[in-house]
Amino acid sequence: EPEVTQTPSHQVTQMGQEVILRCVPISNHLYFYWYRQILGQKVEFLVSFYNNEISEKSEIFDDQFSVERPDGSNFTLKIRSTKLEDSAMYFCASTQGWDGYTFGSGTRLTVV
Amino acid sequence: QQQVKQSPQSLIVQKGGISIINCAYENTAFDYFPWYQQFPGKGPALLIAIRPDVSEKKEGRFTISFNKSAKQFSLHIMDSQPGDSATYFCAASSADKLIFGTGTRLQVFP
Repeated sequence: EPEVTQTPSHQVTQMGQEVILRCVPISNHLYFYWYRQILGQKVEFLVSFYNNEISEKSEIFDDQFSVERPDGSNFTLKIRSTKLEDSAMYFCASTQGWDGYTFGSGTRLTVV
Repeated sequence: QQQVKQSPQSLIVQKGGISIINCAYENTAFDYFPWYQQFPGKGPALLIAIRPDVSEKKEGRFTISFNKSAKQFSLHIMDSQPGDSATYFCAASSADKLIFGTGTRLQVFP
C-alpha cells in the first residue's frame, strides 16, 4: 500500500535554529498538508498546499513557517527560528481530493 | 465554529464489549467526517469515513452513525479487542483541511 514517508523520525534542535522537515507524499496525490500534534493533544492543521502554492494556512503557521515542493516528489516544512513551543510531532499528509487523507508516521521535533 | 467536540476523553471497555465515541460539530459546511486511529509514535490512520448524505456506514466491526440535524456523529466498535487499544480521533472536513476532535484514549482489557 502506498505510504507517505517522513524524515527524520526525530529531530533535536537548539532554540533559534532553522529546521527542515521532509516528506515524500504518495506519488499520484495532488494535495499536501502539514499538521502538528503537541504531546497528548489533538492534531492541529498547519497548512495545505496545492498546485505549487499554499491554499490555506492556520494562525499557527506564521512568518516563521514556510513550505516548499522543491521537486516532483518532496514536500518540506521549514521553521526559520525554532522556539521551545514548536516542540511537537509534525505530520505530513496527502490526498488525491478532499478526502482519504494519508498521514505519514511523523517527525518528532524537540527544541531545547 | 471550526471546532469538533469529542467525548469521552478516555474509555475502558472489556474484550467483546461495544466502544462508543461521540463527536459534535457546528459548521454546516463540513461535508466529510472521518475517524482516525492512532497508536503511540505513529501517524493517524484512516479507519472509516462518512458523508452527510447517509446516516450510517459499517465496515467490519466499525460503524459510524451520523445525525445531520443534530450535527453529531459517533463511532461504534463492536466486539472490542485488546488490539483496538489506541487513541481515536474524529474529524470533519470542508474545503481543504481536516479539523480534528480532541481524541479518545480507548483501552480494551482482556
